[in-house]
Amino acid sequence: DVVMTPSPLSLPVTLGQPASISCRSSQSLVHSDGNTYLNWFQQRPGHSPRRLIYKVSNRDSGVPDRFSGSGSGTDFTLKISRVEAEDVGVYYCMQGTHWPWTFGQGTKVEIK
Amino acid sequence: EVQLVESGGGLVQPGGSLRLSCAASGFTFSSYWIHWVRQAPGKGLVWVSRINSDGTTTHYADSVKGRFTISRDNAKSTLYLQMNSLRVEDTAVYYCARDHYGRNSVDYWGQGTLVTVSS
Repeated sequence: DVVMTPSPLSLPVTLGQPASISCRSSQSLVHSDGNTYLNWFQQRPGHSPRRLIYKVSNRDSGVPDRFSGSGSGTDFTLKISRVEAEDVGVYYCMQGTHWPWTFGQGTKVEIK
Repeated sequence: EVQLVESGGGLVQPGGSLRLSCAASGFTFSSYWIHWVRQAPGKGLVWVSRINSDGTTTHYADSVKGRFTISRDNAKSTLYLQMNSLRVEDTAVYYCARDHYGRNSVDYWGQGTLVTVSS
C-alpha cells in the first residue's frame, strides 16, 4: 500500500500568520490517466472529515480561498495563507491514485 | 442537501456481529459508489470498503476481508456494513462517504457511528 507521510505531525500557529503542511507519498501519485489524485481533508474537533482540496489544487465549494494545495509526483503541500481560529483541527492528506486509497496519519494544527 | 446518516453502532463482545446502516438523501443514491472509512479513537482515517452503484462490485481492506460485507438497497437509499467475527482492533467510529465520480475521492461524509468491541 502507498504510505502517506505528513510533516509536521503537530503545528502550533499564530492567528493571522501563514501555515504549511507537507505530505510525501511512497510512490508517485501520477495515475495512468495522467491525473494526480491527491486530496486534503480537515477534521475539526468532534466533527466528521471535510474535504478541502481534490486533485492536488482544486478547492471544494465553500472552502475559503486562504486554503491552497500544490505539488506533484510524491511531494504535496497544503497552505493556509492566514490562520483563523476555526482552522484548528487535524489535516489529512489522502491518495486516490493507487488501490487501496490511503490517508496520512494527520497533522494537528493548534493555536499558539 | 446531501446527507448521510449512519446508525447501528454499539458495544459488542469480541467474536460478535453488528450491522451498520447509512441512510442517504439529497442525491440520487443509485448513481454513486459509496465507501466506509473508520477511525479508531484518537487515531487517523482508514479506508474499509466500497461498493459500486448497483451493488455488483465490492472491495475491502485486507484487515476486514472475509469478515465484513458491504451491501446496499437502492430502493431504500441505504448502505450497509455487516461486521462478523469482530476484534478489539475493529473499535472505531465508522463513517460512510460518497464517492466523487471521476475524481478518485470522496466528497461527503456522514457523522459516523461508534463501534466498540470489548469484553
